Amino acid sequence: AQSVTQLGSHVSVSEGALVLLRCNYSSSVPPYLFWYVQYPNQGLQLLLKYTSAATLVKGINGFEAEFKKSETSFHLTKPSAHMSDAAEYFCAVSPRGYQKVTFGTGTKLQVIP
Amino acid sequence: EAEVAQSPRYKITEKSQAVAFWCDPISGHATLYWYRQILGQGPELLVQFQDESVVDDSQLPKDRFSAERLKGVDSTLKIQPAELGDSAMYLCASSPGTRSGYEQYFGPGTRLTVT
Repeated sequence: AQSVTQLGSHVSVSEGALVLLRCNYSSSVPPYLFWYVQYPNQGLQLLLKYTSAATLVKGINGFEAEFKKSETSFHLTKPSAHMSDAAEYFCAVSPRGYQKVTFGTGTKLQVIP
Repeated sequence: EAEVAQSPRYKITEKSQAVAFWCDPISGHATLYWYRQILGQGPELLVQFQDESVVDDSQLPKDRFSAERLKGVDSTLKIQPAELGDSAMYLCASSPGTRSGYEQYFGPGTRLTVT
């Protein structure tokens, strides 16, 4: 079964600092990978997805993620944190050819002024 | 921009009562998902529909939960009877199911509190 592990349930960064949220996946073949963001009492919104085209994927709100097969990682980054980035972020994996997505446990990002 | 609609947004009920949640997916999305999200955790799939057919309900507690998607459009998730442990956010999502990756579009969710 495919799974993702998000390292760090809480991450704090200063406004303007680099954001790095870690995600490692477990799969025998490269899967589809996603990052979603969730604001309090709202549903999830897709930030970006990897589907085997470019390994560096750019998403909305200045976020990007790099697929590294050798490290089985799909870390999310943003060069400069903004207060509005404070939210919970979920990494997710889906086997190719299947529509079932498995979510990680989430990382709550706090941005300090 | 098209959105997934859910209602109600909040529901408080007493244990042993019945509750129902409604979801209207984005028009044209054949795949519909219901998730349960416990506070501090990621969403857990309860049931997945392809048009009006259930394709995965392996994690649905079928003794008390039921879901239907008549006519393959909107969907209803029911809990009867509700238990204290059912308190959670219930999320609906839909997907166009494209070959390039099955990204999902989520509704705002229904926050259920069972007292």
